[in-house]
Amino acid sequence: ELKVEQNPLFLSMQEGKNYTIYCNYSTTSDRLYWYRQDPGKSLESLFVLLSNGAVKQEGRLMASLDTKARLSTLHITAAVHDLSATYFCAPKTGANNLFFGTGTRLTVIP
Amino acid sequence: SQTIHQWPATLVQPVGSPLSLECTVEGTSNPNLYWYRQAAGRGLQLLFYSVGIGQISSEVPQNLSASRPQDRQFILSSKKLLLSDSGFYLCAWQPPGGLETQYFGPGTRLLVL
Repeated sequence: ELKVEQNPLFLSMQEGKNYTIYCNYSTTSDRLYWYRQDPGKSLESLFVLLSNGAVKQEGRLMASLDTKARLSTLHITAAVHDLSATYFCAPKTGANNLFFGTGTRLTVIP
Repeated sequence: SQTIHQWPATLVQPVGSPLSLECTVEGTSNPNLYWYRQAAGRGLQLLFYSVGIGQISSEVPQNLSASRPQDRQFILSSKKLLLSDSGFYLCAWQPPGGLETQYFGPGTRLLVL
């Protein structure tokens, strides 16, 4: 059974600091997705990583995928309060299904 | 542009009662459709997915069922709700081909008492 582990589960960071969220998954997958969820809200798509070595950046967030290591990272640069949310990684399984990680709850404090 | 709707937004139901949640997508054809459940403070669990009308695949055994009577309509049902069915139910759509992201609806919050 596929297992997806995110590290850390909870992250409190100061504004202006950098940090990386790690997503490890247990079986082969050639595609991985990152989502953001605000409290009480639905999920918002951040990135789709389609191949080994893929790197995508949007604003202060940058995601990468290493399919050989079964690892994806989400790097946060110079955090701001608006980035406070829960972040989920989800590697593709089977045909087009996603298997979601446990989520990382990020709180950015002034 | 494409939009996805879910209703109701919130629902409080007694144990043993039936359930029907509806999801509709506008602005696209032949989408892949998905039902997920999120328990409080947890990640998402895929319940059902569909690649076409009348085609439903179940990911976990449970007392829930899904149907796709029309191309852009996906329904989640139960004949008798359990306490453990409480959660946040999210519908998602994906363009055919599966290379793009899944787009999530606003969700239905279900509380079974």
